[in-house]
Amino acid sequence: KAGVTQTPRYLIKTRGQQVTLSCSPISGHRSVSWYQQTPGQGLQFLFEYFSETQRNKGNFPGRFSGRQFSNSRSEMNVSTLELGDSALYLCASSFYGIYEQYFGPGTRLTVT
Amino acid sequence: GESVGLHLPTLSVQEGDNSIINCAYSNSASDYFIWYKQESGKGPQFIIDIRSNMDKRQGQRVTVLLNKTVKHLSLQIAATQPGDSAVYFCAETSSGSARQLTFGSGTQLTVLP
Repeated sequence: KAGVTQTPRYLIKTRGQQVTLSCSPISGHRSVSWYQQTPGQGLQFLFEYFSETQRNKGNFPGRFSGRQFSNSRSEMNVSTLELGDSALYLCASSFYGIYEQYFGPGTRLTVT
Repeated sequence: GESVGLHLPTLSVQEGDNSIINCAYSNSASDYFIWYKQESGKGPQFIIDIRSNMDKRQGQRVTVLLNKTVKHLSLQIAATQPGDSAVYFCAETSSGSARQLTFGSGTQLTVLP
């Protein structure tokens, strides 16, 4: 069974730009969660989507948004990028919520 | 806010020895705990989980112990192997409509030959 895939794996953007990251969950998984990982803040929950609906949201500004499609694939968008948005963005999928989540390899975003 | 923390940022053990990674949490309402392993360049990998109605759970070469009295969680790895070298995170969540994971800061485990 194929794992969680994330594209692109690496991205360099300029401050003020916006970016869209993509996540394809494991087949059959309906829950997709997004996390931000930085050396200073560690792993922090961004949001979770289940059946195209945002079910949970972490404590991040409105510049961070996401969506989920009918095939469970998910995208997250960050608008008006700031230097502090440089991080590894991880996507995780599961059948239901936080239980037995499988993580993708992440997208390394660098904002210059 | 509530937080999950780790006692030690790094841990070095000899190959073949047992490893113990500790984690403290502060949310008394936490009822589900997970340990993840993250190797360099990869996403976290689920190792084992435990619910608050248990105090011990065993997997393959791993055991998780939960002490709710002192809000402490530990991961024991038996016969540590070079492939166990990674960063280990504990995570917790509490019941309710907004179930989300709160992660600890991580412990770097290095297995020495």
